[in-house]
Amino acid sequence: GESVGLHLPTLSVQEGDNSIINCAYSNSASDYFIWYKQESGKGPQFIIDIRSNMDKRQGQRVTVLLNKTVKHLSLQIAATQPGDSAVYFCAENKGNTPLVFGKGTRLSVIA
Amino acid sequence: GAGVSQSPSNKVTEKGKDVELRCDPISGHTALYWYRQSLGQGLEFLIYFQGNSAPDKSGLPSDRFSAERTGGSVSTLTIQRTQQEDSAVYLCASSFSPGLPRGNEQFFGPGTRLTVL
Repeated sequence: GESVGLHLPTLSVQEGDNSIINCAYSNSASDYFIWYKQESGKGPQFIIDIRSNMDKRQGQRVTVLLNKTVKHLSLQIAATQPGDSAVYFCAENKGNTPLVFGKGTRLSVIA
Repeated sequence: GAGVSQSPSNKVTEKGKDVELRCDPISGHTALYWYRQSLGQGLEFLIYFQGNSAPDKSGLPSDRFSAERTGGSVSTLTIQRTQQEDSAVYLCASSFSPGLPRGNEQFFGPGTRLTVL
């Protein structure tokens, strides 16, 4: 079936550097995309979302980029901090359907 | 409460026993979702409730799994005759009605860690 996947399962980044977490999706009909952060022992927390009528959206230290041509989604974290260490999930859906989650990327920040 | 709450936080049970997991969604949220997360894995969709509509049960892995949502609020996920492969973290999320502004954003509870011995 169609699903959302990730290019890399783990990512190690030096504190202060920028992080880029990638996600590939296969459902070209999806019109909503979202990134979640999950810290150990906690439920996923919303980071940022984007609709298919946009290709970029910025939040506080985070930017989501959407390339519909190649069905690629990325999350950029500026000036990565130790508190950013977590597993990051992308998810997508269309309309009222449940979100489909990728397997996640573990981000480790090296002090 | 301010967020989604789940109980118990941890549950250890013996193979073959039934378990019930509870989810209290955010007040006013009409949609409620259950997911399962195995160790080091992503979220596996189980079931989705939206208002008074029939639930979307397409993600339930077997007929041992069932869920109810009483009064459009609290939900209970029941696993009958538990198996060791049922061991996972069970996450609940709620949202406003999908399709409405912010309706796609799901708010997650902390999860229930189920261990089947």
